[in-house]
Amino acid sequence: QLVLTQSPSASASLGASVKLTCTLSSGHNNYVIAWHQQQPEKGPRYLMKLNSDGSHIKGDGIPDRFSGSSSGAERYLVISSLQSEDEADYYCQTWSTGIHVFGGGTKLTVL
Amino acid sequence: QVQLAESGGGVVQPGRSLRLSCAASGFTFRSYAMHWVRQAPGKGLEWVSLISFDGITKYYAESVRGRFTISRDNSKNMLYLQMDSLRPEDTAVYYCARSSSPHDVFNIWGQGTMVTVSS
Repeated sequence: QLVLTQSPSASASLGASVKLTCTLSSGHNNYVIAWHQQQPEKGPRYLMKLNSDGSHIKGDGIPDRFSGSSSGAERYLVISSLQSEDEADYYCQTWSTGIHVFGGGTKLTVL
Repeated sequence: QVQLAESGGGVVQPGRSLRLSCAASGFTFRSYAMHWVRQAPGKGLEWVSLISFDGITKYYAESVRGRFTISRDNSKNMLYLQMDSLRPEDTAVYYCARSSSPHDVFNIWGQGTMVTVSS
């Protein structure tokens, strides 16, 4: 069964860096994922498409502070030079034939 | 400007029906697959349904299969979700989203429309 697992919460200080993790279920190590950001009271916003080799393609207008990497079944979203507007929920997304799956989301708090 | 705008949400009694609409602008709508995704209050995102660019291929989440129907009108740049036999657990903000193919990332999202199922 295709499942994405995310930690419910994370926190980091203003100006620091943070690494969010999305873990693919067993047998799905090579899956491509997407990262999405959802700021409070807003619709989601596409951040990037992240491949199993760590290569990624960002959406239009996404700052260089956002990057992605991969290791085995884990997919990472790294945000550097944290700003207050980065405080949001972050979701990973993947798919198989006929189905799309989201992780449970990570709520990022900027201290 | 690439944009998706949902409408049609509201308060409806259990067992009744509602149709959501999503108006697309700023891109060639007929070239993209489209999706509905929902978010219950205080919860995460849940994929609901997808439709291919030509309207031929459709898939549904198990939670809505047999009750919801996705459709599109490429001449009007519109996406629809017909929701029948609504249940309280269908209460959520419903978003439409775009992808380059049925199985790819959602690269454009709408702002959502709220559906409340309550007696």
